[in-house]
Amino acid sequence: AQSVTQLDSQVPVFEEAPVELRCNYSSSVSVYLFWYVQYPNQGLQLLLKYLSGSTLVKGINGFEAEFNKSQTSFHLRKPSVHISDTAEYFCAVSDGQAGTALIFGKGTTLSVSS
Amino acid sequence: GAVVSQHPSWVICKSGTSVKIECRSLDFQATTMFWYRQFPKQSLMLMATSNEGSKATYEQGVEKDKFLINHASLTLSTLTVTSAHPEDSSFYICSARAGGMDTEAFFGQGTRLTVV
Repeated sequence: AQSVTQLDSQVPVFEEAPVELRCNYSSSVSVYLFWYVQYPNQGLQLLLKYLSGSTLVKGINGFEAEFNKSQTSFHLRKPSVHISDTAEYFCAVSDGQAGTALIFGKGTTLSVSS
Repeated sequence: GAVVSQHPSWVICKSGTSVKIECRSLDFQATTMFWYRQFPKQSLMLMATSNEGSKATYEQGVEKDKFLINHASLTLSTLTVTSAHPEDSSFYICSARAGGMDTEAFFGQGTRLTVV
């Protein structure tokens, strides 16, 4: 079964600093990877996804992630964060089979302060 | 992107009563819907997968008689928490996929259930 490990439960950072949220997944023949953001008491919003093609994926709100098959990683990055980026971030994986659910990591709390 | 609407967004019920949560795909047909449960400060735990017109597949440890899932149409799935108890209080989130190999999952806004 697929699994996802988010290595950092909390990441505090100052405004305008760069940030990287780490995500590793268990290896599979084919894998689709996602990053979602969740604000308090809300559902999930898709930031970006990797399905195939270019390993560098650009998403919304200035976020990007790089798929690294050899390291089974899909780390999320942003060169300059804002206070409004404070939220919970989830990495998720799917094996791509029709009808299968996304499996989520435990989440990383990004706290941006001034 | 596609829209998944979940209703209600929050509900308070008395212990022993049942609560129904609806999940609707508004602008696409969802062949498969998923129900997740999220405890405070924790990740989303998959509860069950429902396919239109067939019985739901529950994850290990999830009581199917307590969490009744119905996916009667391609745009609606419901989760009924039967005989709710305080320990069932949680944030429930549904997700829907239109089908195919690489379609992303779209999420509802979640339902905060509090059992008193």
